[in-house]
Amino acid sequence: DAKTTQPTSMDCAEGRAANLPCNHSTISGNEYVYWYRQIHSQGPQYIIHGLKNNETNEMASLIITEDRKSSTLILPHATLRDTAVYYCIVRITNTGNQFYFGTGTSLTVIP
Amino acid sequence: EAGVAQSPRYKIIEKRQSVAFWCNPISGHATLYWYQQILGQGPKLLIQFQNNGVVDDSQLPKDRFSAERLKGVDSTLKIQPAKLEDSAVYLCASTLQMNTEAFFGQGTRLTVV
Repeated sequence: DAKTTQPTSMDCAEGRAANLPCNHSTISGNEYVYWYRQIHSQGPQYIIHGLKNNETNEMASLIITEDRKSSTLILPHATLRDTAVYYCIVRITNTGNQFYFGTGTSLTVIP
Repeated sequence: EAGVAQSPRYKIIEKRQSVAFWCNPISGHATLYWYQQILGQGPKLLIQFQNNGVVDDSQLPKDRFSAERLKGVDSTLKIQPAKLEDSAVYLCASTLQMNTEAFFGQGTRLTVV
């Protein structure tokens, strides 16, 4: 079963920051938070992951709360190509590296 | 770097027929996954291989689904016989090692009629 809760859908204006929240209140100390996105008719694409500290790469930033019970994925300047379903995943490391997906957040970037 | 390759891209079969999907992971990736994604849902893990050994197949419907990775490289997933509810996209993914991200293929869209 998925261990995360995300809003079903969100809209964001083009050029603005998209902030996608995720709750993972039962996360364990050795579990990472991963974010993937899936554009229509494609396989999921890795975005970013983190354990405790905030992370940033060329695609996005990941902000993890101090208690690690929630996180936010930030797309700093959303474009139309960022329209996709975004999945927040808590990776279970003690049973072999699986990735369990929930239903994700459908982000629509509006022109 | 070449990505995860899957074939065929699309497949339409009648119920009770058999079907097989093929996946070639990224070179050097030891871990391989098969996922099933039903329309409107997130991907669901079916089976995980580490090299040619099965790590987790707890969610694989073993009465009709089978998968193998004989030489620890490419893998096949088979459904025999197919049911209408097997209509889905079948995704293959691979990771280099533990604690690294998974790379996904484009998937095979199966329609059972």
